[in-house]
Amino acid sequence: GAVVSQHPSWVICKSGTSVKIECRSLDFQATTMFWYRQFPKQSLMLMATSNEGSKATYEQGVEKDKFLINHASLTLSTLTVTSAHPEDSSFYICSARKSSGGGNEQFFGPGTRLTVL
Amino acid sequence: AQSVTQLDSQVPVFEEAPVELRCNYSSSVSVYLFWYVQYPNQGLQLLLKYLSGSTLVKGINGFEAEFNKSQTSFHLRKPSVHISDTAEYFCAVTKGAGSYQLTFGKGTKLSVIP
Repeated sequence: GAVVSQHPSWVICKSGTSVKIECRSLDFQATTMFWYRQFPKQSLMLMATSNEGSKATYEQGVEKDKFLINHASLTLSTLTVTSAHPEDSSFYICSARKSSGGGNEQFFGPGTRLTVL
Repeated sequence: AQSVTQLDSQVPVFEEAPVELRCNYSSSVSVYLFWYVQYPNQGLQLLLKYLSGSTLVKGINGFEAEFNKSQTSFHLRKPSVHISDTAEYFCAVTKGAGSYQLTFGKGTKLSVIP
């Protein structure tokens, strides 16, 4: 159990367009999901904490108007990169925390590779 | 705030040799500790975790780690590595009960040489 999926697994887009990435918990409910960004050969940097039914909490330095997060249900959070630019190219990973019974563990999705041309 | 230091960015090791990946943390409160593995272009997979109890924790794929509170360390070990263990390994920490935000180390690239 505790499987998290992401869609798409990779996306290439033109500069200026918006890209939506989905994160789903497939076999559990997740009140809280997290969005991370990972640059090549670097660690994961937490971008924001997504809470079902309420606004996301963004980390310092992350533009909330550029990285729109919507956590509309207990199994789905979406990250929309608005007006994407080449510097937004990165590996985006989400994780989910079980609403109950999961303790402090986060379950990670497989990641989405975004390339902005 | 917590911080995690992985002292080695790269660790090359011959197949069937033992390996230790080092992790030190700093925190003013009790913490939970995790090791994750990441294969190329994939998400993170939990190897093992320390929440409480026995300081020696066994995980998947033959890995184990020992929590040392006095040295604020949580080093990962495997007695005999395989080619398939080649991957990036991340140590992470979260504050104790009631918290769930992870702070990651910078990662250690383990390369197993045939």
